[in-house]
Amino acid sequence: QVQLQESGPGLVKPSETLSLTCAVSGYSITSDYFWGWLRQPPGKGLEWIGSMYHSGSAYYNPSLKSRVTISVDTSRNQFSLKLTSVTAADTAVYFCARDQRTSPPKFEYWGRGTLVTVSS
Amino acid sequence: DIQMTQSPSSLSASEGDRVTITCRASQTISQYLNWYQQKPGKAPNLLIYAASTLQSGVPSRFSGSGSGTDFTLTITSLQPEDFATYFCQQTSSTPYTFGQGTKVEIK
Repeated sequence: QVQLQESGPGLVKPSETLSLTCAVSGYSITSDYFWGWLRQPPGKGLEWIGSMYHSGSAYYNPSLKSRVTISVDTSRNQFSLKLTSVTAADTAVYFCARDQRTSPPKFEYWGRGTLVTVSS
Repeated sequence: DIQMTQSPSSLSASEGDRVTITCRASQTISQYLNWYQQKPGKAPNLLIYAASTLQSGVPSRFSGSGSGTDFTLTITSLQPEDFATYFCQQTSSTPYTFGQGTKVEIK
């Protein structure tokens, strides 16, 4: 059974960098698939942030691309998100998920999500 | 970006009712349309992918249809566990985008 679990600080100060990690169990991230991050501001809809393949190929949402980096740690079977220069608008529940990019594209497995609040 | 518009934004229904939620894309997306169910405090759960394919383990009372720009999620005989928020998602092109959600509430 594929399982994903997000971890990281729940509170980040404005202008600082948000850093989250997603640990994957039950599946090797080097086997296949992209691995992605999404977020959901409180009471609002979902936003795709970006996805990365273990080889390093990545796709980012253009609205966030200048501030986002997704990286993969194959030795630990996990992947990470860094979002720089955060503001209150970045307050959201952040989810990691497996991105089946082809045949057909879908997000089948998700982490439980972690709330990140941007506040001083 | 492709804009996804769901309607209605919320609805009230009773157990046993048939419920229909629609999703419209701002441009054609073929059948690259997924539906998710989300309950409070939980991650979204994939119900339907490729517009009409039922995800493994999802009850058959859920069904999806449509292609191009107009799509429908139908729940026949609404069950207590179906009261939740439903989102559509297009995967035709990045950035992937979602509808704003439809909250299904108990009448």
